[in-house]
Amino acid sequence: GENVEQHPSTLSVQEGDSAVIKCTYSDSASNYFPWYKQELGKRPQLIIDIRSNVGEKKDQRIAVTLNKTAKHFSLHITETQPEDSAVYFCAAGGGADGLTFGKGTHLIIQP
Amino acid sequence: DVKVTQSSRYLVKRTGEKVFLECVQDMDHENMFWYRQDPGLGLRLIYFSYDVKMKEKGDIPEGYSVSREKKERFSLILESASTNQTSMYLCASSLWTGAVVEKLFFGSGTQLSVL
Repeated sequence: GENVEQHPSTLSVQEGDSAVIKCTYSDSASNYFPWYKQELGKRPQLIIDIRSNVGEKKDQRIAVTLNKTAKHFSLHITETQPEDSAVYFCAAGGGADGLTFGKGTHLIIQP
Repeated sequence: DVKVTQSSRYLVKRTGEKVFLECVQDMDHENMFWYRQDPGLGLRLIYFSYDVKMKEKGDIPEGYSVSREKKERFSLILESASTNQTSMYLCASSLWTGAVVEKLFFGSGTQLSVL
């Protein structure tokens, strides 16, 4: 089955700086790569996703890049703000059997 | 907006009890999933279902079973709860367009403690 590795497990950045979280996946059949944000005590919420026919996608301060050859994808957050503090999960999947998630990155925005 | 509702936010059970976790979605989604979330381990798939009365094992099905008698409802059953099943359980649903996986919508989760 699919295996997703996510790094780092904790990331601390100064407010206003950029944050990058990286994931690798193992199954070349995976074609869908979403990122979820989970604030403390809340449900995971989709923030951005990318499909395998696209190399990059951007939504305001958030962007995701995908390198299919190397089987890795990354989340980029620019101009970080206090409300960006949360746990971020990457995931990979390719069919009806759901998504395989990474172990999560705790992003801390230092004032 | 899609609503995925889990019947209990917090649940405390005793070892050996039979436990039912209920999940209902209101968007006519074909696919439904049960994940458990543990600190440092992320979300791990227990079971999923892509149609009524259909079920498939995920990555960690041992000690669990599921039931999907109606399209909108997906139940997770712990036949004999054990302390290592203390965890946050998240239900999710998604549309199935036949060829492409779609995004998951999650419920608020049930924090289960087995004493």
